[in-house]
Amino acid sequence: AQSVTQPDIHITVSEGASLELRCNYSYGATPYLFWYVQSPGQGLQLLLKYFSGDTLVQGIKGFEAEFKRSQSSFNLRKPSVHWSDAAEYFCAVVQYSSASKIIFGSGTRLSIRP
Amino acid sequence: EAQVTQNPRYLITVTGKKLTVTCSQNMNHEYMSWYRQDPGLGLRQIYYSMNVEVTDKGDVPEGYKVSRKEKRNFPLILESPSPNQTSLYFCASTRAGTSAYEQYFGPGTRLTVT
Repeated sequence: AQSVTQPDIHITVSEGASLELRCNYSYGATPYLFWYVQSPGQGLQLLLKYFSGDTLVQGIKGFEAEFKRSQSSFNLRKPSVHWSDAAEYFCAVVQYSSASKIIFGSGTRLSIRP
Repeated sequence: EAQVTQNPRYLITVTGKKLTVTCSQNMNHEYMSWYRQDPGLGLRQIYYSMNVEVTDKGDVPEGYKVSRKEKRNFPLILESPSPNQTSLYFCASTRAGTSAYEQYFGPGTRLTVT
């Protein structure tokens, strides 16, 4: 069965520091991978997505993610975080043949230390 | 403005009192889904619809009903709500076809069942 694992429930980083949020997936075929961000009291917003091609994808708000097939990972990175990045981040995988079937990870809550 | 709207945003009700949460999208998307978000569990899909009059169960459909009579609307119905359905609910839509799969989320409905 497909699954998405985000091993870190809560991460705190200092403003200006670099960030990496981990995501591992379990899926037999080539997955479509996503990162979403949920600010407090808001719905989810797409940060970036990977379908194929270049394994390093750029997203909005200065985020990037790298797809590593050998490690079944799709980690999210940002070189320098801002206080406004405090939010919950969800990794997700979609089955190629079913756009309506999306599996979300349990989320990582990011706090920013002033 | 392209958007997914949900109503109500907040609802407190009592066990057994039927309720409906509405969802509407203005992007002419084929696919629509309902999710519930619970702490530590991420988002779990309740039901999804691939087009008008085509719906199917997601991962946690028990206690919920949906209908898709019009392309833009996808209401979630709780015939007899119970306290374990207290949660944050999100509706989402996405376009069919290749390079789609990006989900557009509504702002969420926080439901409390006492």
